[in-house]
Amino acid sequence: RKEVEQDPGPFNVPEGATVAFNCTYSNSASQSFFWYRQDCRKEPKLLMSVYSSGNEDGRFTAQLNRASQYISLLIRDSKLSDSATYLCVVNPHNNDMRFGAGTRLTVKP
Amino acid sequence: GEEVAQTPKHLVRGEGQKAKLYCAPIKGHSYVFWYQQVLKNEFKFLISFQNENVFDETGMPKERFSAKCLPNSPCSLEIQATKLEDSAVYFCASSRIAGAYSYEQYFGPGTRLTVT
Repeated sequence: RKEVEQDPGPFNVPEGATVAFNCTYSNSASQSFFWYRQDCRKEPKLLMSVYSSGNEDGRFTAQLNRASQYISLLIRDSKLSDSATYLCVVNPHNNDMRFGAGTRLTVKP
Repeated sequence: GEEVAQTPKHLVRGEGQKAKLYCAPIKGHSYVFWYQQVLKNEFKFLISFQNENVFDETGMPKERFSAKCLPNSPCSLEIQATKLEDSAVYFCASSRIAGAYSYEQYFGPGTRLTVT
């Protein structure tokens, strides 16, 4: 079993749609969680950290469920520019991040 | 600087040749991390440094791979006697601190290594 698992997609949604991604992690001692986005052939860019109480940044909402060991990302009112691969990233210890394989999102006009 | 800098952007080596990649972390960041992205989205942690000291090297291949972070110099990742399977994008990242409650890592643009 992979340490961090994501649905690879692809998710193809129209502009304005709401889309949600889930991610599960295997190490129950993990303490830090992040969502990164990666555009084709570019470096991952931090989208948001995920806090225990859940957090929101504009159209993006992240949730953490420690009991079930999953993290979610909700994108509301999708824009064309949201098209990217979304990486779930977990820090089990010592800051050596564990990456999910990513979920590919395409937002269409 | 304000961004993680990596050089070169692209590197092509014949099998058996040496490859050396460089990374300059964001100013003020004490931790540097190296990752290998072989397939489209499969990231593999290689090694991390706290200043010039190895912090975690559990992902580093035992043979052929070495890395350094020396004072007042860019960090480096060196691959001796490259193999075809070393072809990948190598990302460097830096963060202010590390540990169980970690801070975000910021990534450089990567070095694409092609071994022919």
